[in-house]
Amino acid sequence: DAGITQSPRHKVTETGTPVTLRCHQTENHRYMYWYRQDPGHGLRLIHYSYGVKDTDKGEVSDGYSVSRSKTEDFLLTLESATSSQTSVYFCAILGPGRNTEAFFGQGTRLTVV
Amino acid sequence: SQQGEEDPQALSIQEGENATMNCSYKTSINNLQWYRQNSGRGLVHLILIRSNEREKHSGRLRVTLDTSKKSSSLLITASRAADTASYFCATDQGGSEKLVFGKGTKLTVNP
Repeated sequence: DAGITQSPRHKVTETGTPVTLRCHQTENHRYMYWYRQDPGHGLRLIHYSYGVKDTDKGEVSDGYSVSRSKTEDFLLTLESATSSQTSVYFCAILGPGRNTEAFFGQGTRLTVV
Repeated sequence: SQQGEEDPQALSIQEGENATMNCSYKTSINNLQWYRQNSGRGLVHLILIRSNEREKHSGRLRVTLDTSKKSSSLLITASRAADTASYFCATDQGGSEKLVFGKGTKLTVNP
């Protein structure tokens, strides 16, 4: 299994509080992704990174920011959590080369109350 | 909007039957991938087909790609109860590394 871990695995937070989710990889892969998964919507891309300090927006980036100061860590921050951000968040890494598979973390279940 | 759209949204079959899921996408691609997700778990890669390939096999899986129609299909033959899961297609938009998924097909295989 690819070395990718997400923390925390579960979190309950209050509306308006900042929240940071962490994705850590041990594969030294260049590309990292954050998705959210909601019933009826599948996986939607929030942000992705193509290198240290190189990030770009996905389709649902509003209300989220990311940082990647080291190859192995990709952080997702909700500056001021809202109930609409209650979701399951998945991190993924993409293997080297153009035609490779992605590996997923186990997910973080975030509840904003 | 999401790049890949799977069809049907849900599929229920009996063990031993074949299951076919379809995926349509909007932009040019370098490859298309299929993933599987068991309830509450992370996604697991099943198969990748490149834009210059038309068909690919892996065990009981058969994937086809029609770039002129911007569509792909995943066939699972001789299905088993253990195949019960959600299946997603993913594409790299315009050949970039922006990996985008569809909404998935929920497959239920009844014993």
